[in-house]
Amino acid sequence: AQSVTQLDSQVPVFEEAPVELRCNYSSSVSVYLFWYVQYPNQGLQLLLKYLSGSTLVKGINGFEAEFNKSQTSFHLRKPSVHISDTAEYFCAVSGHTDKLIFGTGTRLQVFP
Amino acid sequence: DTAVSQTPKYLVTQMGNDKSIKCEQNLGHDTMYWYKQDSKKFLKIMFSYNNKELIINETVPNRFSPKSPDKAHLNLHINSLELGDSAVYFCASSQALSHRLSEKLFFGSGTQLSVL
Repeated sequence: AQSVTQLDSQVPVFEEAPVELRCNYSSSVSVYLFWYVQYPNQGLQLLLKYLSGSTLVKGINGFEAEFNKSQTSFHLRKPSVHISDTAEYFCAVSGHTDKLIFGTGTRLQVFP
Repeated sequence: DTAVSQTPKYLVTQMGNDKSIKCEQNLGHDTMYWYKQDSKKFLKIMFSYNNKELIINETVPNRFSPKSPDKAHLNLHINSLELGDSAVYFCASSQALSHRLSEKLFFGSGTQLSVL
C-alpha cells in the first residue's frame, strides 16, 4: 500500500522569498508522484507530476519538484513566491492500484 | 466552458434527509470519480467509474450510491444524511483508468454539504 506524508500543515512565508513544501511517500513498488494546488473555494489543479525520467520536474506557475528515490521524497519548491500562490498544496502518489492517494495538504500563506 | 461542473455548490440539509449531487464533464473522459474532503482538508477517494462501470468502491456506507447514466455524468445520491457526512465533495475525471494511475485528474469546484 502507498501512503503520503506532508509534515508541514502550514507554511508562512513573505512575498518573493523561496519556499519548499515537503512530501515523503511510502511504497513497496515504483510510483507516480503528483502535486496539486487548491485555491480558495476551487477544486484541485495539477501543478506537476513525475512519471519517469528526469528527477527534476517543472510545473506551472514557476513551481518545480525533485524526485529523490533514496529519501522517498518529492519536495515542491519555488524560488520566489507571490501573494497569489497562497493556497493549499497536496502531494499525491499512485502505485500499482488505480487510486490516487493524497497527503493531508500544506497551507502556503504568503504575506506582503 | 467549465470542464467538470457539479451542482449544487452549497447544500444545507437536515439529518435524515436524502440528497443528490450532480456532476458532468465535457472533456470526453472515460473515467469519473467522487472524492470527499473533510474539515481537515484530508481528501479521500470514494468511488470511480470507467465507462459507466464501477471500478473503485472504497469503504463507504451503503447510504452513498453513485449513479452513472452515461460516461459524461456521475451523480452521487446520499440517503439518511448524518452529521458526519458534512464535508466538501469533489467530482473529478480523467482520460482513462490506467492500471497505475498516471493520468491527470480534472476536478470540479466542489459541493459544500452541511448536515444540521
